[in-house]
Order: sequence, then C-alpha cells, then structure tokens
Amino acid sequence: DAGVTQSPTHLIKTRGQQVTLRCSPISGHKSVSWYQQVLGQGPQFIFQYYEKEERGRGNFPDRFSARQFPNYSSELNVNALLLGDSALYLCASSLGGQGAVGANVLTFGAGSRLTVL
Amino acid sequence: GEDVEQSLFLSVREGDSSVINCTYTDSSSTYLYWYKQEPGAGLQLLTYIFSNMDMKQDQRLTVLLNKKDKHLSLRIADTQTGDSAIYFCAENTGRRALTFGSGTRLQVQP
Repeated sequence: DAGVTQSPTHLIKTRGQQVTLRCSPISGHKSVSWYQQVLGQGPQFIFQYYEKEERGRGNFPDRFSARQFPNYSSELNVNALLLGDSALYLCASSLGGQGAVGANVLTFGAGSRLTVL
Repeated sequence: GEDVEQSLFLSVREGDSSVINCTYTDSSSTYLYWYKQEPGAGLQLLTYIFSNMDMKQDQRLTVLLNKKDKHLSLRIADTQTGDSAIYFCAENTGRRALTFGSGTRLQVQP
C-alpha cells in the first residue's frame, strides 16, 4: 500500500510568489494535517482537515490556506511568500473520527521542501 | 502554554543502550509519540503510548511515561549505526494537533 504522498518534493520560489503543495493520504484515511518544519526545529502545526472540513488551525497568518477534496487529498496554499516561509512542509494522514484506538495516529509523508529566494 | 522539551544531542557507542528524554507540560495529553527523522526525510512513527499506560515495549524500543512528572523517555536497546537520526517527542492534547519538541540528535559511534 502506498503511504502518504506529497508533491512536489522540492521547489524554489521568489518572494511575493504563491505556492501550492499537494498531498494524498493513505487509502482509507479521512483526515489530513499539515505541518511546517523549519531547519533545526520540530514541526509546527498549520491545519487539520477531516471529511473536507477544517478541524484545527495553528498560529499561522492568513497567507496560509488549505482545502480537502472529496477523495480526501489536500492542498496547502501559501500566498505572498516570505523568506521565512522556507521550510519542509509535511503532510500527515490519519483515520480521523473518534472512538477507534489510534484513530488520530499520524503517518507523515516525506515532505515538500520549499526554498524562497 | 504547551511546551515539549528535549535535550539536543546524544552520543552513544554501537551496541550500547540509548535513552532519549522528553518533558511536556499539558497534563491533558492523551497520546505521546516518538518519531524518527533521517536526513532529508519525513517523520517515521516509531511508537506511541496512551496516557493511562506506564510502559510500552516494542522489540528494541521501550517507552516509559511518568505522568506525575510529565516525563517521557525512549530507550533503544543494542543501538545500531542505522539508529543515527533525530528523534522527536510529541504530545496530542486531543485538540487534534501534535506539539513537537525540537528533537534530539542521536549519534551512534562504531
């Protein structure tokens, strides 16, 4: 079975541009989360989606937005890029919902490495 | 506020045991996790422990949880060079987001 897949794996943008990152969850997983990992730090939570609805948002500006599609894949959009947006963007999927043991255990993809020049 | 703290670096010899420590602040955490990250890669889930457990063992990995002191540890038995990586502790408070520590870099010397 395929794990969490992300695209693109690497990309370079310039300040002020916009970027869209894509994520396909593990088959059967209905929840997708996005995290930003700046070099030398732990991942920081950006968004979580479950059944196409936003279920959580971290402390990020409105330049960051996301959505989840009917097939449970997701996109993360970042507008008006700043140098400080350079990071590894990680997508994670989980079963989601409540009740099942481990329903919220996250499986991460390999990430999309964004460099802003 | 939430804060997960880890020591930055640990060096061990191949074959020794490694113990990576973590402290967290949110007593309502329901699950606590250990992830491994190799250079240039994403996060690999190693193990997790539910908050009503004190210990969990999985092959070479042993997780100990002290809820009173909000302390979590990961013990790797018979550490191998392939275990060299950054290890992240994370807590899930039920708000559906994980809070990660800054990671502990484990260096295994042959």
